[in-house]
Amino acid sequence: ETGVTQSPTHLIKTRGQQVTLRCSSQSGHNTVSWYQQALGQGPQFIFQYYREEENGRGNFPPRFSGLQFPNYSSELNVNALELDDSALYLCASSQTWDPVETQYFGPGTRLLVL
Amino acid sequence: AQSVTQLDSQVPVFEEAPVELRCNYSSSVSVYLFWYVQYPNQGLQLLLKYLSGSTLVKGINGFEAEFNKSQTSFHLRKPSVHISDTAEYFCAVRSANAGNMLTFGGGTRLMVKP
Repeated sequence: ETGVTQSPTHLIKTRGQQVTLRCSSQSGHNTVSWYQQALGQGPQFIFQYYREEENGRGNFPPRFSGLQFPNYSSELNVNALELDDSALYLCASSQTWDPVETQYFGPGTRLLVL
Repeated sequence: AQSVTQLDSQVPVFEEAPVELRCNYSSSVSVYLFWYVQYPNQGLQLLLKYLSGSTLVKGINGFEAEFNKSQTSFHLRKPSVHISDTAEYFCAVRSANAGNMLTFGGGTRLMVKP
């Protein structure tokens, strides 16, 4: 069984640029959630995708957007990067037929905005 | 709204000693509760979860947690820690009315000393 994978592992961007992060869900999972983890803090929910549509969103501005593809993989796009966007971005996959929809996390992408 | 408080930001303990990491949650409806562990420069690994039923939940690596509804707590325990348990531990809650959004606490750094 393949776990959740994310790419790239590290990324450096400058303020104002745009970035795309990628996530492949665990085999058999149909839902993907994205979280932002700032240094020294717990993860914060950005949004979730199910059936290629956004299915819940946390307190993040519209410049954070995403996609889910037919194979359940997903992208997180961030436009107009700000210094405070520097963080570890975590992707988690789950399956809707799990009564608890337990989320399994990937290793994350560490983004540094200069 | 749901929230999680991890009362200790750091817990130093000697190897082979017992440890308890404290977690309190707030939610107006029924909840699912989780503990995740994050080793340095890695993503989150699920330790255990509480759905319903028995209030004592056993997880991986010898960890267990006890759900206490009256005190709205879900403390994590291990009777004898190892150096390899040194990591950041996150408590998370998912409320029945919050979709699949996990709300995390700020984390507790467990530091096991020889």
